[in-house]
Amino acid sequence: GAVVSQHPSRVICKSGTSVKIECRSLDFQATTMFWYRQFPKKSLMLMATSNEGSKATYEQGVEKDKFLINHASLTLSTLTVTSAHPEDSSFYICSATRTSGIGNEQFFGPGTRLTVL
Amino acid sequence: KNQVEQSPQSLIILEGKNCTLQCNYTVSPFSNLRWYKQDTGRGPVSLTIMTFSENTKSNGRYTATLDADTKQSSLHITASQLSDSASYICVVSATGTASKLTFGTGTRLQVTL
Repeated sequence: GAVVSQHPSRVICKSGTSVKIECRSLDFQATTMFWYRQFPKKSLMLMATSNEGSKATYEQGVEKDKFLINHASLTLSTLTVTSAHPEDSSFYICSATRTSGIGNEQFFGPGTRLTVL
Repeated sequence: KNQVEQSPQSLIILEGKNCTLQCNYTVSPFSNLRWYKQDTGRGPVSLTIMTFSENTKSNGRYTATLDADTKQSSLHITASQLSDSASYICVVSATGTASKLTFGTGTRLQVTL
């Protein structure tokens, strides 16, 4: 159990286009999902916290108009990189929270590699 | 400021050998500590999760320890295999932070023949 999927796993796009990344919790409902960005050989950097049915909370320095987040259901959150530029190229990872006996546990998706040409 | 520091930054060991990775944290108030394995180009996969009252937890060849007094944790890998080559990330959660995690920078382990 506790499987989180991301789609696509890899995307290459031209500068100026928008890219949508989906994050799904396949076998549990997640009221909270998180979006992270990871640069090569660096740790995960939290971009935003996404709660079902409400606006996402963005971390300092993350442009909310650049990275649009929608959490329309308890199993799906989407991240849209608008007007992508080469500096947006990165590895994007989502996680979904499931409540268990030890509190809220996060399960990570496999990641999406975005390359902007 | 909540921080998690890991050592060593990278490590190369021969297949079959054991190794121990270290994690020091200053996250407060402490909720739980997790070790994740992240293969290159993949998302992190949970190995162990420990709460304040737990001193050790095993998952196959992986054994994690926690000393909540000194705020230190270790991950011991026994009889390493080539497939153990990955980054190992120590992640600490504080209570009352809406599930926000503090990530260590990871230890890059390479297991060679």
